[in-house]
Amino acid sequence: DAGITQSPRYKITETGRQVTLMCHQTWSHSYMFWYRQDLGHGLRLIYYSAAADITDKGEVPDGYVVSRSKTENFPLTLESATRSQTSVYFCASSEQGKNIQYFGAGTRLSVL
Amino acid sequence: GESVGLHLPTLSVQEGDNSIINCAYSNSASDYFIWYKQESGKGPQFIIDIRSNMDKRQGQRVTVLLNKTVKHLSLQIAATQPGDSAVYFCAETGFQKLVFGTGTRLLVSP
Repeated sequence: DAGITQSPRYKITETGRQVTLMCHQTWSHSYMFWYRQDLGHGLRLIYYSAAADITDKGEVPDGYVVSRSKTENFPLTLESATRSQTSVYFCASSEQGKNIQYFGAGTRLSVL
Repeated sequence: GESVGLHLPTLSVQEGDNSIINCAYSNSASDYFIWYKQESGKGPQFIIDIRSNMDKRQGQRVTVLLNKTVKHLSLQIAATQPGDSAVYFCAETGFQKLVFGTGTRLLVSP
């Protein structure tokens, strides 16, 4: 039971580069989410998806792009990374009609 | 916007004591609340949930209390163990999305 996996676990990149964080879930959950976690802000929603090909903005979407061509995958792309995007990123999923979200282990991203 | 906050950023307890972690919420329309535990280097892990039509719900060593009058939520951990050391988040839900508080760090000393 693999659950929800994120890759890479750690990433260092430079300002201006494009970075893609991967998220894969094996439960066939309809909903998937991307959060960032920063000290003093807790978890903030970046984007979410209700199903394949359906995505919507969360609280802090600027500078990020998502896609969901398959139910099990929900990649997050930073098109031109900035230092302010240094953070820990978490992916989560939930069943349709259920509020409990299940989280991956996170990706720690450093933008130099 | 709506917010979910916590009263204390850090709580230190002795092993074997009971722990109480508090959370205030501002959206009186919230009808479902979740507590998560996050250990260092890991993602948040579901602990327990409660619906707004309940005042109390118990799990294994954990109890969540909901006071809708003052919009307050608490997580009680009985006989706290070193493995309980983590950051605890409350979250309120709306339309399949979660709004998280900033978290309380629980430190358990032997």
